[in-house]
Amino acid sequence: DQQVKQNSPSLSVQEGRISILNCDYTNSMFDYFLWYKKYPAEGPTFLISISSIKDKNEDGRFTVFLNKSAKHLSLHIVPSQPGDSAVYFCAARGYHGSSNTGKLIFGQGTTLQVKP
Amino acid sequence: NAGVTQTPKFRILKIGQSMTLQCAQDMNHNYMYWYRQDPGMGLKLIYYSVGAGITDKGEVPNGYNVSRSTTEDFPLRLELAAPSQTSVYFCASSVENEQFFGPGTRLTVL
Repeated sequence: DQQVKQNSPSLSVQEGRISILNCDYTNSMFDYFLWYKKYPAEGPTFLISISSIKDKNEDGRFTVFLNKSAKHLSLHIVPSQPGDSAVYFCAARGYHGSSNTGKLIFGQGTTLQVKP
Repeated sequence: NAGVTQTPKFRILKIGQSMTLQCAQDMNHNYMYWYRQDPGMGLKLIYYSVGAGITDKGEVPNGYNVSRSTTEDFPLRLELAAPSQTSVYFCASSVENEQFFGPGTRLTVL
């Protein structure tokens, strides 16, 4: 059962335009969501996050939107740059009883290609 | 700070062999994790630890073992390698919400 889904395996956009990456989840107990970026032959690196009590978080060119009623989040990159070309993973964290183990559940990833 | 380090970077094993993937972090993080990533898939949690001496199973623990004798180190052991364990393995550590990942170990079992 895939609790976090990224239904688009790939996305291609022109440099300077907006990139929108989407992520859906099924578990309403998730309380924190993160986006990671991964270049080939490297480990994922943290990009941006959002708590379930918010619906938007912005950091420079990156904005994450959370729609709890739809169980959907999205990452907007504006303007897109060729250096943004990478695999993007969304991840969700949920509490287990009263403990937070920090465990994350990852989506399958979306490969973004930004063309010059 | 070196962050999270993993060794080796690459390894080819024969079926039935065993090996230990090393992971170390110098950020004094209590929480550490092992993931595997298969092609076209997200990261699947193998094992995790919330502190020295404490470990627990993740989503896909079969065929693996871990130990956590110190805060810094979290080795992953494969006892009887199988082709299904061909994957890229990532170690991560965290103190709050954000996990910091190592560069990965690419393992092939033939």
